[in-house]
Amino acid sequence: GAGVSQTPSNKVTEKGKYVELRCDPISGHTALYWYRQSLGQGPEFLIYFQGTGAADDSGLPNDRFFAVRPEGSVSTLKIQRTERGDSAVYLCASSLKPQGGAGANVLTFGAGSRLTVL
Amino acid sequence: GIQVEQSPPDLILQEGANSTLRCNFSDSVNNLQWFHQNPWGQLINLFYIPSGTKQNGRLSATTVATERYSLLYISSSQTTDSGVYFCAVEDMDSNYQLIWGAGTKLIIKP
Repeated sequence: GAGVSQTPSNKVTEKGKYVELRCDPISGHTALYWYRQSLGQGPEFLIYFQGTGAADDSGLPNDRFFAVRPEGSVSTLKIQRTERGDSAVYLCASSLKPQGGAGANVLTFGAGSRLTVL
Repeated sequence: GIQVEQSPPDLILQEGANSTLRCNFSDSVNNLQWFHQNPWGQLINLFYIPSGTKQNGRLSATTVATERYSLLYISSSQTTDSGVYFCAVEDMDSNYQLIWGAGTKLIIKP
């Protein structure tokens, strides 16, 4: 598509429930990123995919968080046993990052998925 | 890890005014981007500027990599410029993870 698409735009759930957040990146973008933004703060890195593989998942806060990108395009962020502290806006971005790291890496962000855990 | 500081944290201006936003970073960077987050939360990339100067309409940016700072200039402000401006950098050791400043919240009054 023309931009990065994220669904749902808003998700309200109860503590302890499981949620999935979806990201559809710009067509042809090999790199995909998940960030989390709490109110009044800058985004915080969660995970980076290059193609199908998670190149760096060091930002995932704990093992309740998991993300996949099985075909190298759409990605799903999965949160198990949600807690109130997981409430935030989850942002997805994609880029044409060249393999090997050289060159400009300009990220394009989606509109985000606002998660509220009651 | 690398630290990113933005100033001022808040800025309130009348329409038509000019402004300068600053981003300081604590180490050498591969990548520096300025973003505008509108009141609906959408992050829009303004500039990719690890060094040098770029201009796009009423906006321009300058990064002095040797002195570890970047400036974003907004001229003839409009109410649609309101929102939060973020500086984000990618350090030399991690060439894909952006580290973000806390942002400058800009309010343009009509």
